Amino acid sequence: NAGVTQTPKFQVLKTGQSMTLQCAQDMNHEYMSWYRQDPGMGLRLIHYSVGAGITDQGEVPNGYNVSRSTTEDFPLRLLSAAPSQTSVYFCASSYRAGGHTDTQYFGPGTRLTVL
Amino acid sequence: AQSVAQPEDQVNVAEGNPLTVKCTYSVSGNPYLFWYVQYPNRGLQFLLKYITGDNLVKGSYGFEAEFNKSQTSFHLKKPSALVSDSALYFCAVRDGSGNTGKLIFGQGTTLQVKP
Repeated sequence: NAGVTQTPKFQVLKTGQSMTLQCAQDMNHEYMSWYRQDPGMGLRLIHYSVGAGITDQGEVPNGYNVSRSTTEDFPLRLLSAAPSQTSVYFCASSYRAGGHTDTQYFGPGTRLTVL
Repeated sequence: AQSVAQPEDQVNVAEGNPLTVKCTYSVSGNPYLFWYVQYPNRGLQFLLKYITGDNLVKGSYGFEAEFNKSQTSFHLKKPSALVSDSALYFCAVRDGSGNTGKLIFGQGTTLQVKP
């Protein structure tokens, strides 16, 4: 199993540009989520999905869209990039939606810089 | 509302000495608690979790954590620190009363182990 994979590893955007961060998992996990990591703030939840076709907002959803057309993929779209979205983005997955005891497994991250 | 606090931004210990990284939590239902480690420019790696049962949980790389319900704490410990343990450590909690499995993270503690 490859686990959770993310592409690209690094990205530089100009203000106003749009892009999609890719996330895929091959563990047949129901639950997938996106976090952003900023210094001194830990990880903050952007969006999450409890299964194909079902998504919901997390703590910091503004400026981001997600969709979940398959169990495996959970892309994160930046609609119009802003410097405040400069961050490291992590995708994570766990086995069951609502599985409180399940471990979340993280991808390697995407480091995004918005100029 | 759920929350996690890691009161120390940085912990410094000498190699061979015991280490403790502190974590306190607040949830309305049963707490499910997790520790993750992040090495530089890497994703988060799962260390251990507390679900129920024995208050002392053993995890990867010789780490353990002690759950204390009365103090709402879940401190990470290791009897003898290694220089290679130097990394960023995150505590996280799920509230067992919720139905989405969302994970809430502390802000992280940098562990520095000096030779």
